[in-house]
Amino acid sequence: GAVVSQHPSRVICKSGTSVKIECRSLDFQATTMFWYRQFPKQSLMLMATSNEGSKATYEQGVEKDKFLINHASLTLSTLTVTSAHPEDSSFYICSASGGGYLYEQYFGPGTRLTVT
Amino acid sequence: GNSVTQMEGPVTLSEEAFLTINCTYTATGYPSLFWYVQYPGEGLQLLLKATKADDKGSNKGFEATYRKETTSFHLEKGSVQVSDSAVYFCDPNQGGKLIFGQGTELSVKP
Repeated sequence: GAVVSQHPSRVICKSGTSVKIECRSLDFQATTMFWYRQFPKQSLMLMATSNEGSKATYEQGVEKDKFLINHASLTLSTLTVTSAHPEDSSFYICSASGGGYLYEQYFGPGTRLTVT
Repeated sequence: GNSVTQMEGPVTLSEEAFLTINCTYTATGYPSLFWYVQYPGEGLQLLLKATKADDKGSNKGFEATYRKETTSFHLEKGSVQVSDSAVYFCDPNQGGKLIFGQGTELSVKP
C-alpha cells in the first residue's frame, strides 16, 4: 500500500520558536494533503487542506498565519507552527490522497509536538 | 454534504466476544466507505474499505458490508483480542477531507 512519512516523529521546542513538520508521500503523487491535529482522547480535527501548487484552505478557527502550510510538490507538504506556545502542543497528523475513484487516504504516523 | 453517525463509545468487551460498531451515513451519490483505526499513541491507518453496494471489506478478522438500502457500514468481528483495543472511525468519502465524528473507542479486556 501507499506510504506516507512524517518527520520528525517527536519534537520539543521552546515557546516562541517555530517548528516545521514534513509530510511526504513516498510512492505516489498526492494531489491533496490534509493536516489534522489531535488532542488527547479527542478525535482528529482538520486544520487545512492543501493542493499542490496552490494556497491551503484553512478550516474555521485555524490561524493561517500561525500554521503555515506549503505544498510545493506532489510528494511533499510542510506545516510550520510559528511562534509556538504551550497550547500548540498536540499530535499532528497528515494524510495524502492521490485522487481518483477510491478516495482513499493514507496517513502519516503523526508528529508529537511539545512546546515548553 | 456527507455526514456520518457512529456508535458512541467507549465499548468495553471481554476477549473473544463478538463486536459490532454501527455506522450509518448520509451522502449524495455513492461514496466509498472506509473504516480507519487508531491504535494508542499512533496515527490513523486504513482498516478496510468498500467501494460499491454489497461489497464486503475485510481485514484482520474485521468485516463490513456496504449496505446502500440502509446507508450503513457496520464493523464486525467475531472474536476480539486485547490487541484490537483502539479507536475506530467510519468515513463515507467522495473525495476530500475525512467525514467522521469522535470515533468509537474499543477496549478489550483479557
